[in-house]
Amino acid sequence: DTGVSQNPRHKITKRGQNVTFRCDPISEHNRLYWYRQTLGQGPEFLTYFQNEAQLEKSRLLSDRFSAERPKGSFSTLEIQRTEQGDSAMYLCASSEGRGDTGELFFGEGSRLTVL
Amino acid sequence: QQPVQSPQAVILREGEDAVINCSSSKALYSVHWYRQKHGEAPVFLMILLKGGEQKGHEKISASFNEKKQQSSLYLTASQLSYSGTYFCGTVKGLGGGSEKLVFGKGTKLTVNP
Repeated sequence: DTGVSQNPRHKITKRGQNVTFRCDPISEHNRLYWYRQTLGQGPEFLTYFQNEAQLEKSRLLSDRFSAERPKGSFSTLEIQRTEQGDSAMYLCASSEGRGDTGELFFGEGSRLTVL
Repeated sequence: QQPVQSPQAVILREGEDAVINCSSSKALYSVHWYRQKHGEAPVFLMILLKGGEQKGHEKISASFNEKKQQSSLYLTASQLSYSGTYFCGTVKGLGGGSEKLVFGKGTKLTVNP
């Protein structure tokens, strides 16, 4: 068990460019969550999946953000037309069962800097 | 609605105790506690569920007052390794619905020798 893996770990991009982050959860974990964290704040919920189904998406999330988990294994988070306000750490987490009653295992995150 | 954590920061000497609080204005189904060290991923500490069930590490203790929608994390005989930022995450409702955790802004704990 290698834990939750996220790539790339760091991404610097210019405003207006598209970026994609990948998350590989712990194998056999059917839940996968995306959170965003800025300096001095707690993780902010973005979306989560049960297998390949996206069950919930934050209402605060712009249409520029999209996530998918095509085969119920790895997931990608794409941000289109990035803005400076998108600069943050993007955290992925997975769980074996329901996240409201079980432990989330977080990856080390993908740090995005938008210039 | 984001839960409110207090205090925002606390500094201890090794061996001292601390209490971190988390409160919500909404009826809660579960409260989750995580610790995050600088530059690292959040790590699970404990879950407290409506009805009294708790899951977590043996050395960590916490309480959940369902009537007041408040939880407290008790750190006793603190060690240097306890340093980090502690986040509570809450799930509102009756259970069986959304699995979304809403995290507070965190409490930064520093334990000095």
